[in-house]
Amino acid sequence: DAGVIQSPRHEVTEMGQEVTLRCKPISGHNSLFWYRQTMMRGLELLIYFNNNVPIDDSGMPEDRFSAKMPNASFSTLKIQPSEPRDSAVYFCASSWRRGEQFFGPGTRLTVL
Amino acid sequence: GENVEQHPSTLSVQEGDSAVIKCTYSDSASNYFPWYKQELGKRPQLIIDIRSNVGEKKDQRIAVTLNKTAKHFSLHITETQPEDSAVYFCAAIYGNNRLAFGKGNQVVVIP
Repeated sequence: DAGVIQSPRHEVTEMGQEVTLRCKPISGHNSLFWYRQTMMRGLELLIYFNNNVPIDDSGMPEDRFSAKMPNASFSTLKIQPSEPRDSAVYFCASSWRRGEQFFGPGTRLTVL
Repeated sequence: GENVEQHPSTLSVQEGDSAVIKCTYSDSASNYFPWYKQELGKRPQLIIDIRSNVGEKKDQRIAVTLNKTAKHFSLHITETQPEDSAVYFCAAIYGNNRLAFGKGNQVVVIP
């Protein structure tokens, strides 16, 4: 099993540009989570899908952030327009059993 | 929601000694408590977890204990080795399958 796959691994962009982060969960997992990690705020849950349906998006910072899960094997997190304060590591995690979450390698986003 | 707190924030131990990290949680309905290890520049990795129907779980040099009455749980690492140096996160489940994470503890094992 390849584990959770994320792309790109690193993204450097300029303020105002659109950023799209991608995630492929572990096959057979029915829950998917997007997290943001910064030194100041730690690991924050942004949004959580169950069976491809968004269950809780209360952690999405603002309307500039959106997430989709069109099928069981793919999800995207989009930031438009991006701002320097969005710079962070974004992790995707998936789960098949209540509680056990497996993280992807993360995308390090830098917004200049 | 759930609130999880970790203490101490940084822990330095001599190689071979034991390390203990404690966490408290607020939601008495929480019944699953995982621990994650994150090395510099890498992903958080699940190293051990415990469900509320047991008070202790052990896996080689690591163990987790749970006190539901006091709402706290601890990670114990024995015979520490340099490769144990990392940030350790505790978490508690709440709501419908969400995890609330603590802020993390930096563990430094001094050779």
